[in-house]
Amino acid sequence: GAGVSQSPSNKVTEKGKDVELRCDPISGHTALYWYRQRLGQGLEFLIYFQGNSAPDKSGLPSDRFSAERTGESVSTLTIQRTQQEDSAVYLCASSPVSQDYGYTFGSGTRLTVV
Amino acid sequence: GENVEQHPSTLSVQEGDSAVIKCTYSDSASNYFPWYKQELGKRPQLIIDIRSNVGEKKDQRIAVTLNKTAKHFSLHITETQPEDSAVYFCAASGSGNTGKLIFGQGTTLQVKP
Repeated sequence: GAGVSQSPSNKVTEKGKDVELRCDPISGHTALYWYRQRLGQGLEFLIYFQGNSAPDKSGLPSDRFSAERTGESVSTLTIQRTQQEDSAVYLCASSPVSQDYGYTFGSGTRLTVV
Repeated sequence: GENVEQHPSTLSVQEGDSAVIKCTYSDSASNYFPWYKQELGKRPQLIIDIRSNVGEKKDQRIAVTLNKTAKHFSLHITETQPEDSAVYFCAASGSGNTGKLIFGQGTTLQVKP
């Protein structure tokens, strides 16, 4: 596609429910990243995928968070048993070659846990 | 651990003045330093970047300088315009052979007409 596509754009969920966020990167981009942005704050790294290599999961805040990516296509970020502190905008980005090019971000998914 | 500090957190200037935002990073292995602009409710967008083999890069009204010895880099915007108002994020590449970026906390720039 022309850009990084994320869905849903907004998600309101009850505390304790599971949610799944989707990211469709730019075609041909081998690297994919998930970041979390709390209101008025910076971008917090969550996880990074590069081709078929093992993902860098060092930023996932707890075992309630997980992400998958098949090959160089769509990625899903799953948050289990959501908590109010999970409320944030979840941004996905992709790049053609890791470390050589700046990211292209998606529009994000705004998650609100009530 | 890896860390990027960004200052100031807010910056207000008059239209036509210059604005400077500064960042310091902790990982001496970092070699790629992009800057992103995020308008309200929108996605961050890359505006300029610099790699460790150069000390300065300019693109029209925007310039970035890098001091690897001191581990700091700065964004300079000249002749500011109201449409420059946004949140600006600096970032530094993480350690190891990955594309991970460590972001600063952001600077809210307000350009008053």
